[in-house]
Amino acid sequence: NAGVTQTPKFRILKIGQSMTLQCTQDMNHNYMYWYRQDPGMGLKLIYYSVGAGITDKGEVPNGYNVSRSTTEDFPLRLELAAPSQTSVYFCASSGLAGGRSSYNEQFFGPGTRLTVL
Amino acid sequence: AQRVTQPEKLLSVFKGAPVELKCNYSYSGSPELFWYVQYSRQRLQLLLRHISRESIKGFTADLNKGETSFHLKKPFAQEEDSAMYYCALSGIGNTPLVFGKGTRLSVIA
Repeated sequence: NAGVTQTPKFRILKIGQSMTLQCTQDMNHNYMYWYRQDPGMGLKLIYYSVGAGITDKGEVPNGYNVSRSTTEDFPLRLELAAPSQTSVYFCASSGLAGGRSSYNEQFFGPGTRLTVL
Repeated sequence: AQRVTQPEKLLSVFKGAPVELKCNYSYSGSPELFWYVQYSRQRLQLLLRHISRESIKGFTADLNKGETSFHLKKPFAQEEDSAMYYCALSGIGNTPLVFGKGTRLSVIA
């Protein structure tokens, strides 16, 4: 199993451009998440999904959109890139644990480093 | 509101010295607490969770509900322990994890 994969690894955007960060997991997990990691700020939840067709906002959703058309994929869309969106973005997933679906043990992707100039 | 506080941004210790990474939480119920670790150039991964009551790579963490703490401890630090450590909390009803800001542990040879 590849686990959680993310593309691209790095990207530089100009202000106002748009892009989609891809995330795929092959563990048949129900739950998927997008976080951003800023220096000294830890991980902040952007959006999450509890299953195909279901998404919900996290702590910092403004400026982002997501969709979950399949169990495997959870792309994150930036419509109008702003310098404040310069960050490292992590996708994660979690699934059955101890016989019940759980948010608990999350498996992370390698991250996408995004710079907006 | 759920909140996780890691008061130290950076903790430097000498090899062989004891390590304690502090974590305090705010939650009005019975949470599940976790420690995640991110080694250099690697992805974030689960280190341990309080319900397992296990020792991983020599690390242990005890949930103290009275002090609302979940400090991570290791009696003798190794150079390979150098990494970023995140404390995280999950509330009742399988709510998403809330992470602290992280502590960077640097073990000096």
